[in-house]
Amino acid sequence: QQPVQSPQAVILREGEDAVINCSSSKALYSVHWYRQKHGEAPVFLMILLKGGEQKGHEKISASFNEKKQQSSLYLTASQLSYSGTYFCVNQFYFGTGTSLTVIP
Amino acid sequence: GAVVSQHPSRVICKSGTSVKIECRSLDFQATTMFWYRQFPKQSLMLMATSNEGSKATYEQGVEKDKFLINHASLTLSTLTVTSAHPEDSSFYICSASPSVAYNEQFFGPGTRLTVL
Repeated sequence: QQPVQSPQAVILREGEDAVINCSSSKALYSVHWYRQKHGEAPVFLMILLKGGEQKGHEKISASFNEKKQQSSLYLTASQLSYSGTYFCVNQFYFGTGTSLTVIP
Repeated sequence: GAVVSQHPSRVICKSGTSVKIECRSLDFQATTMFWYRQFPKQSLMLMATSNEGSKATYEQGVEKDKFLINHASLTLSTLTVTSAHPEDSSFYICSASPSVAYNEQFFGPGTRLTVL
């Protein structure tokens, strides 16, 4: 039931862009995205409720392809504060996670 | 709004003892609460879902006799790790949902359990 994310890890320089993909073997009715810093609880980023929906949050946006059971998170012009582990969530089941590190 | 507290934040115990972790929704009533476990560098794994006044629903592979969950009120759920062993050492995180619509949930800060 766990969504699979790719890549597992990515290192960026400040200002670079990244895409994190989430794929589910089960139907996706909605997708949540969270970011977690080490030793802390996950922080909610956004929710996508229907197929094709794209939402934005500052320089972080996401898309949702219900038919393909996939979602992608887009981070543009990355900042140091973007570092952390990103999770997609389908019906309370967390994805495998993507560790993102932004370096100066 | 939508604040969830968890207590204790850290606990160290001896092998064989039991540990209780509390999860409280401070400013809303939680119809459903969730318990997750997270090992280092891994994802959050859902352990169980609990609804107020009813028995928890455990995920496959989670021992219900070892991880006792009580959801006595709309603002409080407890997880008791019974006869703890070193392999139970982990980060336990609860979340609470005012409504399962949109799969909305709010997370507590987590409890770091270390079993010696």
